[in-house]
Parts: sequence; C-alpha cells; structure tokens
Amino acid sequence: NAGVTQTPKFQVLKTGQSMTLQCAQDMNHEYMSWYRQDPGMGLRLIHYSVGAGITDQGEVPNGYNVSRSTTEDFPLRLLSAAPSQTSVYFCASSYFRQDTGELFFGEGSRLTVL
Amino acid sequence: AQSVAQPEDQVNVAEGNPLTVKCTYSVSGNPYLFWYVQYPNRGLQFLLKYITGDNLVKGSYGFEAEFNKSQTSFHLKKPSALVSDSALYFCAVRDGAADNRLAFGKGNQVVVIP
Repeated sequence: NAGVTQTPKFQVLKTGQSMTLQCAQDMNHEYMSWYRQDPGMGLRLIHYSVGAGITDQGEVPNGYNVSRSTTEDFPLRLLSAAPSQTSVYFCASSYFRQDTGELFFGEGSRLTVL
Repeated sequence: AQSVAQPEDQVNVAEGNPLTVKCTYSVSGNPYLFWYVQYPNRGLQFLLKYITGDNLVKGSYGFEAEFNKSQTSFHLKKPSALVSDSALYFCAVRDGAADNRLAFGKGNQVVVIP
C-alpha cells in the first residue's frame, strides 16, 4: 500500500528557477491538497482540489500553480522560486465530503531556495 | 474561516505522568476536530477525531481527547506518557462535512523526560 507518494524528498534551487513537486495517491481519493510547514507557523494550505479538473486556492497560493488532470496526481509548480519559499511541503489526500475526513499525508519534500 | 489555537510551544512531562496538549478552535458550522502527530523528518499521522457523539474520543497509542463545545476546546490527553511519545502534535479543524479544508494549529512539541 503506497498511500501518498511525494517526489523529490529534497531539492535545492537557485532564486528564479522553476520546478515541480510531484504527488500521487493510490487510494482513489477525490480531495487532494498541498501544505507548507514552517517553524512556529504550523501547516498552511497552498492549493487544493476536489476532483479531476477542479482546483482552488488555499491560504498562501501566491507563487504556486497546480493542476489536476487525473484523480491520482496533483503536482505543485513553483514558477520562479524565491528564498521565502524555502519550506517543507506536504501533499495530503482524503475522501471528499465524508464524515471520515482524515487526511493522509505524504512524507514531505524539503525545498531550499538559495 | 476556521482556525485553531495551540497556546503552548512546548510541553515537558516526566515519563509515567499524565500528558495534556491544549487546543481551542473557531469554526462557523459544525466542528470536525482532529489530532495528528509528526515524528522527526516524517509526514503527519492521524491520531483521533471528533465528528459527533460522545465527547470523549479514543485514538491510537493510548491517546484520547475531550470535546467541549462551550469552551470550544479539544484537548489531547494520555494518562501515562512514554518517552516514545516525544513528537510534534497538531490540532486541526474543518467546517463540517461540506468543506474538506483542514486548518491546523502551529503545533506543540512534546518532550517526555525519562
């Protein structure tokens, strides 16, 4: 059971570079989301999706793009990396609008922007 | 918008003593409440949840939490702490069944002293 898989686990970028963080889940979850974790700030929602072809902004969307072409995949794109985007990124998924509702998390992607 | 407050940065407790991690929430509709635990360099793991029913909910690893609607609180408890309980604990809330977005608190570092 793979669950939620994130790649890469570690990445170092220079300011201005672009990259994509990959997220895939094999649980047939409709809902997928991206969070960033920063010390003392908890997890903040970047973008989320309630199904293929549907995405929406979370709390801190600026500088990030997402797409959802399949149920399984939800990549996060950094368009022009900035040092403020140095963080640990988590992808999470769940069933949509069900009482169970708990999120399943990937292991995280640690990004450093120089 | 929903939000969570975890007032303490760190909780220190001696092994074998009771452990309490505090959480208060704000939500416009019915609160769905969750606790997650994060070990170093890992993703978040689900511990327990309150959706409806009995105010005392039991979860993994001997943890339990009490929902108090009048105080808008959902404190996490364990009767006898273990050194292996040392980790980062997050409280989270979502606004009922219609909205899957989870809002997280900033987290509490629990240190269990042998």
